[in-house]
Amino acid sequence: GNSVTQMEGPVTLSEEAFLTINCTYTATGYPSLFWYVQYPGEGLQLLLKATKADDKGSNKGFEATYRKETTSFHLEKGSVQVSDSAVYFCALGISSSNTGKLIFGQGTTLQVKP
Amino acid sequence: DAGVTQSPTHLIKTRGQQVTLRCSPKSGHDTVSWYQQALGQGPQFIFQYYEEEERQRGNFPDRFSGHQFPNYSSELNVNALLLGDSALYLCASILTGRNTEAFFGQGTRLTVV
Repeated sequence: GNSVTQMEGPVTLSEEAFLTINCTYTATGYPSLFWYVQYPGEGLQLLLKATKADDKGSNKGFEATYRKETTSFHLEKGSVQVSDSAVYFCALGISSSNTGKLIFGQGTTLQVKP
Repeated sequence: DAGVTQSPTHLIKTRGQQVTLRCSPKSGHDTVSWYQQALGQGPQFIFQYYEEEERQRGNFPDRFSGHQFPNYSSELNVNALLLGDSALYLCASILTGRNTEAFFGQGTRLTVV
């Protein structure tokens, strides 16, 4: 079946540290891949996406590359800020014509300390 | 643009009762998906509505049902509530098309006691 596995958290970093949150997936066909962020008390916001192999999604200093050979979509940021503290979800969409049906990982909590 | 709005924001129900949650999609969006997010978990897809019909469904029992109105707003109904139904319920709205973005509301926190 289709599934997403994320590294367990919480991840605690100091400000300006390098961030990696690992995400691997299992899927049939050619899924699209997403990273969503959830700030406390809020809904999900799309952070970045990639729709085919070798695509790199990027936004607000975050990047992730769609690696079909390793079935991975790891999230990276070169220098985190306190304001990046949130829960990050990796997700896959089976159909590019139906991005409303997503399969999410369990989420990774990031805590950035000043 | 008000974005995706959900109501109520919080509610408490007793086991065995029924509940209705509401979602107004982003302006211009015609498809609504509902998700259940248990504490500390990722959202799980419940079902999706388009053109006032349920188009896809996740692995949820028939106690979970929904409706979409002509103005694209949607309701999620849960009957015979169980303690395990306690969760954050998220609504996502999408404009049907290829690789379009799903926008999420802030959710409704349901507590079943």
